[in-house]
Amino acid sequence: KAGVTQTPRYLIKTRGQQVTLSCSPISGHRSVSWYQQTPGQGLQFLFEYFSETQRNKGNFPGRFSGRQFSNSRSEMNVSTLELGDSALYLCASSLITVQETQYFGPGTRLLVL
Amino acid sequence: SQQGEEDPQALSIQEGENATMNCSYKTSINNLQWYRQNSGRGLVHLILIRSNEREKHSGRLRVTLDTSKKSSSLLITASRAADTASYFCATDFVQGGSEKLVFGKGMKLTVNP
Repeated sequence: KAGVTQTPRYLIKTRGQQVTLSCSPISGHRSVSWYQQTPGQGLQFLFEYFSETQRNKGNFPGRFSGRQFSNSRSEMNVSTLELGDSALYLCASSLITVQETQYFGPGTRLLVL
Repeated sequence: SQQGEEDPQALSIQEGENATMNCSYKTSINNLQWYRQNSGRGLVHLILIRSNEREKHSGRLRVTLDTSKKSSSLLITASRAADTASYFCATDFVQGGSEKLVFGKGMKLTVNP
């Protein structure tokens, strides 16, 4: 089975712009979670989607949003980018719940200038 | 604050030695998982231990869980240079009716050849 894929792998944006990141989970996996990783804050949970519905959300401002499609692929969007949004964004998938093994993608490294 | 916290934050050992990492958490959990991350890439799942299990083995890995002390330890035996990575514990629990998976900030292991 192919692993979790994320596109793009690297991205450079300027403040005020918006960005959309994509995640394709492992075939058959219906739960997709997004995390932001920074040196200072570690791995912070953004949100989790299951069957096209946001099932859980972390403590991030409304500029961070996401969605999931019927094929379980997921996108996350960050609007009005800030310097502090520079981070590695990781997507993880599992069969059904976050209680199961999470399979991570390689991440998208976002740099905001 | 983080649900799970690894200790020590960094560890440097020689190849062939054993490495022990500890994780402490605050609330009752369903499962505890350990992950490894190499140089800013995606996380790789190592082992999952359920709240009703006390010890689990996988190859050179041994994980213990003490729910009374709310702590877990990961032991890597006969370490190799390739074990150099950051290690994270993740705890899942139910809060406000939804399942959450929270990662610690990670522990950096360096295995010197």
